[in-house]
Amino acid sequence: EDKVVQSPLSLVVHEGDTVTLNCSYEVTNFRSLLWYKQEKKAPTFLFMLTSSGIEKKSGRLSSILDKKELFSILNITATQTGDSAVYLCAVHSGGSNYKLTFGKGTLLTVNP
Amino acid sequence: GAGVSQSPRYKVAKRGQDVALRCDPISGHVSLFWYQQALGQGPEFLTYFQNEAQLDKSGLPSDRFFAERPEGSVSTLKIQRTQQEDSAVYLCASSVRDRGLTDTQYFGPGTRLTVL
Repeated sequence: EDKVVQSPLSLVVHEGDTVTLNCSYEVTNFRSLLWYKQEKKAPTFLFMLTSSGIEKKSGRLSSILDKKELFSILNITATQTGDSAVYLCAVHSGGSNYKLTFGKGTLLTVNP
Repeated sequence: GAGVSQSPRYKVAKRGQDVALRCDPISGHVSLFWYQQALGQGPEFLTYFQNEAQLDKSGLPSDRFFAERPEGSVSTLKIQRTQQEDSAVYLCASSVRDRGLTDTQYFGPGTRLTVL
């Protein structure tokens, strides 16, 4: 059975800190890994990663994938209170390359 | 353009009632997905449509759950004889292409179902 594990499950930081969120996976026929940000509404898409070692960047957020060690990290620099959310990691895998398998998420709280 | 919309945003049902949850995907998106998200958990796959065809319903937890997308756009998830364990947020997502290609899924805000 496909498995996606995120750590830590929750994290509290102060504004300006840098955080690293982790996602490891055990899946058959990996195809891509996605990161989403979920506030009290729709999960919003952040990144899709398919190749190892290529960093994707958007403003203060960046992410990278290691297909050999089967994990990805999401970095957020100079955190702001608006970054407070649950960050979800999900994987496309196997023959059903449409189905996403999600981790439980990391709850990030950024205090002023 | 408009994103994925869902209605109602909140639904409270008494145990045993039937409920219907609606999803309006992004216009032109071929693929539509339903996920169930319990409190403190990540979303879990329920079912997948390519246009009007339901190609995978392996995640539906019981035969009380039924989904349709008759014209290949709007979809409805119906839960019959609701139970307390059905309480969750039901998320709908759509993507532009068919299952042949890995594609980004865009999510709606979800319907929070509470069964009393």
